Amino acid sequence: KAGVTQTPRYLIKTRGQQVTLSCSPISGHRSVSWYQQTPGQGLQFLFEYFSETQRNKGNFPGRFSGRQFSNSRSEMNVSTLELGDSALYLCASSPQGLNEKLFFGSGTQLSVL
Amino acid sequence: DQQVKQNSPSLSVQEGRISILNCDYTNSMFDYFLWYKKYPAEGPTFLISISSIKDKNEDGRFTVFLNKSAKHLSLHIVPSQPGDSAVYFCGGDGGTSYGKLTFGQGTILTVHP
Repeated sequence: KAGVTQTPRYLIKTRGQQVTLSCSPISGHRSVSWYQQTPGQGLQFLFEYFSETQRNKGNFPGRFSGRQFSNSRSEMNVSTLELGDSALYLCASSPQGLNEKLFFGSGTQLSVL
Repeated sequence: DQQVKQNSPSLSVQEGRISILNCDYTNSMFDYFLWYKKYPAEGPTFLISISSIKDKNEDGRFTVFLNKSAKHLSLHIVPSQPGDSAVYFCGGDGGTSYGKLTFGQGTILTVHP
């Protein structure tokens, strides 16, 4: 069974631009979550999607958004990039998204210059 | 408000000895705890979990202990191996928070040959 796949692996953007990250969950997993990892803040929860609906959201500004498609694939968008958005963005999937372990992808390393 | 804390940023251990990684939490709603291991440039991989109805769970060299009254859990690795060198994250799940694990800051474990 293929794992969680995230593309692209690396991204370099400049301030003010926007970016879209992609995540393909493990086959059969309907819940997709997104996390941000920075050296100072650890792993911070962004949001979770299940059956194309956002069920949960973390404490991030509205510039961070996401969506999920009918095949459970998910995208995350960050608009008006700021230097502080430089981070590793991780996608995780699970069957139902509740009281179960999450399977993480390798992440997208975003650098904002 | 940091609901999960890993107070030791790093730990250094000799190969063959025991590694003990600690985690404290404040949220009484957490009923499921997980440990993840993360290598550089990779996503976190699941290690072991424990439900709040238990106080111990073992899986090979890894054992997690939960002390609910102290809101404390620990991960024991015996014997430690150089390949265990990684960042270890402790995460708590509130049971009703879809796709969201609240993680600590992580502990860097270094196992010396």
